[in-house]
Amino acid sequence: GNSVTQMEGPVTLSEEAFLTINCTYTATGYPSLFWYVQYPGEGLQLLLKATKADDKGSNKGFEATYRKETTSFHLEKGSVQVSDSAVYFCALARNTGNQFYFGTGTSLTVIP
Amino acid sequence: DVKVTQSSRYLVKRTGEKVFLECVQDMDHENMFWYRQDPGLGLRLIYFSYDVKMKEKGDIPEGYSVSREKKERFSLILESASTNQTSMYLCASRGSGRRNEQFFGPGTRLTVL
Repeated sequence: GNSVTQMEGPVTLSEEAFLTINCTYTATGYPSLFWYVQYPGEGLQLLLKATKADDKGSNKGFEATYRKETTSFHLEKGSVQVSDSAVYFCALARNTGNQFYFGTGTSLTVIP
Repeated sequence: DVKVTQSSRYLVKRTGEKVFLECVQDMDHENMFWYRQDPGLGLRLIYFSYDVKMKEKGDIPEGYSVSREKKERFSLILESASTNQTSMYLCASRGSGRRNEQFFGPGTRLTVL
């Protein structure tokens, strides 16, 4: 079947620390992969995406590379800020059909 | 700017009431979704619709129904609200094509007393 597994939180980092949030997936075919961010009290916003193997998605200093050989899409940022405190969701969309499959979310808190 | 709007940010209802949650998108998307979000459980799909008057059950459809009479509007209905339906409800829409992302509304936090 299709599923997404992401690292459990919560994660607490100091400002300017390096961030990695792990995400692995199980899917048939060639899915598209996404990272969403949810700030407190809001809906989810797309952070970045990659639609084929070896693609790198990037936005606001965040990056993730679609690794088919390891079925992974880890989120990274070189220097986090307090404003990055949020919940991050990894998701996949199959190459057929309309459904998304979301991970359970990883809560990040960045302290000054 | 693309937009998905939900009728209420906060809603308080009593057990047994019929509850309507409305979602509207302005992107002419074919696909619309209703999720609920609970701590530790992530997002769980309740229902989705891929066309007007079409619907499919998601992972947790029990206790819910949906209506899509117009392309831009997707309603979630709790026929008889129960306390275990207290949750955050998120609506999303998506254009066809595997590269397309889902766009989310701001969410409705529903409390059933």
